[in-house]
Amino acid sequence: KAGVTQTPRYLIKTRGQQVTLSCSPISGHRSVSWYQQTPGQGLQFLFEYFSETQRNKGNFPGRFSGRQFSNSRSEMNVSTLELGDSALYLCASSLGGTSGRDEQFFGPGTRLTVL
Amino acid sequence: GDSVTQMEGPVTLSEEAFLTINCTYTATGYPSLFWYVQYPGEGLQLLLKATKADDKGSNKGFEATYRKETTSFHLEKGSVQVSDSAVYFCALRRGDSWGKLQFGAGTQVVVTP
Repeated sequence: KAGVTQTPRYLIKTRGQQVTLSCSPISGHRSVSWYQQTPGQGLQFLFEYFSETQRNKGNFPGRFSGRQFSNSRSEMNVSTLELGDSALYLCASSLGGTSGRDEQFFGPGTRLTVL
Repeated sequence: GDSVTQMEGPVTLSEEAFLTINCTYTATGYPSLFWYVQYPGEGLQLLLKATKADDKGSNKGFEATYRKETTSFHLEKGSVQVSDSAVYFCALRRGDSWGKLQFGAGTQVVVTP
C-alpha cells in the first residue's frame, strides 16, 4: 500500500509570490490534515479536509487556504508569501473517523524556502 | 486550550542506556495520546498510541502508559540503539477536534556508540 505522497519535495519562492503544495493520501483515506513545522513554533495545525469539506481550521491567516478533490487528494495554497512562511509543510491522511483514535499517516513533507 | 508539554532536549545517551521522555498534557475530556518519531529529513512516523486511561501503547521496544490522574504519557525504552537517534513528539487528539493533532515541542534524542 503506497504511503502519503507530497509534491514537490522542495520549493524556493520569493516574497510576494504564491505557492501550491499537493498531497495524495493513502488509498481509502478520506481525511487530509496539513501542518506547518518550523524551528521556532514547532508543529502547528493548519486545517483538515474530509470529503471535500474543511472540517477544522487552525489559527493561520487567510493567506493559507486549501481544498480537497473528490479522489481525496488535497492542495494547500499560500498567497503573498512572507519570509516567515519558510517551513516544512506536512500533510497527514487518515480514515477520518470522529473518535479521534484513528491514526494519522504523514508524508515526507514539502520544504518551502521564501527568499 | 489543549496543550502538550515535553521535556527539553537534546537528550544524549550511550547505547544500551535507559530512555525516558516526559510528556504531560492539558485537555478537556478524554483525548487519545500519541508518540511520533521524526528521523532527519523525513516526515513523522507513529510510534505508539493509547486511546483511554491506563492503556499502554508499545512498539519497537518503546512503551508509554496513559495516566489520567497525572495527565501524563511518558515514553520509555529499556535499551536504546544508535538507530533510535531522532526527534520524538508527544501529541494528543480529542474526538471533537476531528483531524487536529496537538503536538509538544519535540525532544531530540542522540544515542552514541
